[in-house]
Amino acid sequence: SQQGEEDPQALSIQEGENATMNCSYKTSINNLQWYRQNSGRGLVHLILIRSNEREKHSGRLRVTLDTSKKSSSLLITASRAADTASYFCATLGFSNQGGKLIFGQGTELSVKP
Amino acid sequence: ETGVTQSPTHLIKTRGQQVTLRCSSQSGHNTVSWYQQALGQGPQFIFQYYREEENGRGNFPPRFSGLQFPNYSSELNVNALELDDSALYLCASSLKPGVYEQYFGPGTRLTVT
Repeated sequence: SQQGEEDPQALSIQEGENATMNCSYKTSINNLQWYRQNSGRGLVHLILIRSNEREKHSGRLRVTLDTSKKSSSLLITASRAADTASYFCATLGFSNQGGKLIFGQGTELSVKP
Repeated sequence: ETGVTQSPTHLIKTRGQQVTLRCSSQSGHNTVSWYQQALGQGPQFIFQYYREEENGRGNFPPRFSGLQFPNYSSELNVNALELDDSALYLCASSLKPGVYEQYFGPGTRLTVT
């Protein structure tokens, strides 16, 4: 079963626009991570935000975390055609299950040139 | 490129057969996790191996089994294949279990007919 719900399921924007994707989860977490996947290939780690952090930046990426609402958002600024991919949030809990990541169903982003 | 490799890239099997998928972890990583990703879904955790021992298991039947070798490479074995086992199988390696970043391989696409 998946913990995360992502919204929207699909997003289509023009190059240069900003893209915002949201993720909600159900249980307490240690950290939340965002991944990108191109055309059913392997996952690329984008950014990790810990439960005691509220915002994190990496290049054109900005992630926020609201643990009281159990939600996170990923903002990609000044999008490029190369950003076209599926984006997944994944949570890591406090259980003793090692590094079990629980993924959402993903947002499919299409950036049109 | 994460340094995590998987073989084979694609595989077609018949219902009832058995399959073995292989994963080589990134240098220095002693933990390997396996995930199943059905079409249009987020990855689901199958199990994790740490220093050759299973270190957590998701909600998968016993016909999904694994091994980790002294060089920390890993195998995923699936017996009595079912049509629903058709998916992308991803492995990820990390420095240790727990809160460490996971680096994913490109995946093996399994089709069961």
